[in-house]
Amino acid sequence: DVKVTQSSRYLVKRTGEKVFLECVQDMDHENMFWYRQDPGLGLRLIYFSYDVKMKEKGDIPEGYSVSREKKERFSLILESASTNQTSMYLCASRLRLGGYTFGSGTRLTVV
Amino acid sequence: DQQVKQNSPSLSVQEGRISILNCDYTNSMFDYFLWYKKYPAEGPTFLISISSIKDKNEDGRFTVFLNKSAKHLSLHIVPSQPGDSAVYFCAAKETSGSRLTFGEGTQLTVNP
Repeated sequence: DVKVTQSSRYLVKRTGEKVFLECVQDMDHENMFWYRQDPGLGLRLIYFSYDVKMKEKGDIPEGYSVSREKKERFSLILESASTNQTSMYLCASRLRLGGYTFGSGTRLTVV
Repeated sequence: DQQVKQNSPSLSVQEGRISILNCDYTNSMFDYFLWYKKYPAEGPTFLISISSIKDKNEDGRFTVFLNKSAKHLSLHIVPSQPGDSAVYFCAAKETSGSRLTFGEGTQLTVNP
């Protein structure tokens, strides 16, 4: 079974902090994604990556950046955390033409 | 611009009855549709999908119907069980693309 692991289940950070959310997959998937889930808004795509060092903006990239230095790891970076970035963050990976596997999510609270 | 819409935020049904969850889309380029189920504090898990060349796909208690002319799909769960209580997300993609576009989700509650 493909495993997508998000390093933290819960995080509390202060406004203005730089925050790193890490995601690791163990099945050599080319594609990786970062979504955030908010009530009434569903899952919205922040960034995705087709392969190592490649990244594409999703629907809501403002305030975020990403890094993919190795195939198995896709990091989401909040350059300066704000309270409106309090959310559930979900990472997913996918083999090209294959199904999507999601991690368990990171509940981030910015205070 | 919400390209995938689930207009019912919540649905409550009795155990053993049918649950029908609905989803509408606006993007004509979408040709592959998926349903995901999500429990609290867990990631979404894949449930069932359908390609635009079909109008129905069935997997056990779960059936997805696609009406391309109406740009509408629905998920039927029969019979509903208390363990089905979760948030259900409809998602869509273009065959040539990698990204999924999700709806807002519907909270299904199945009462014993």
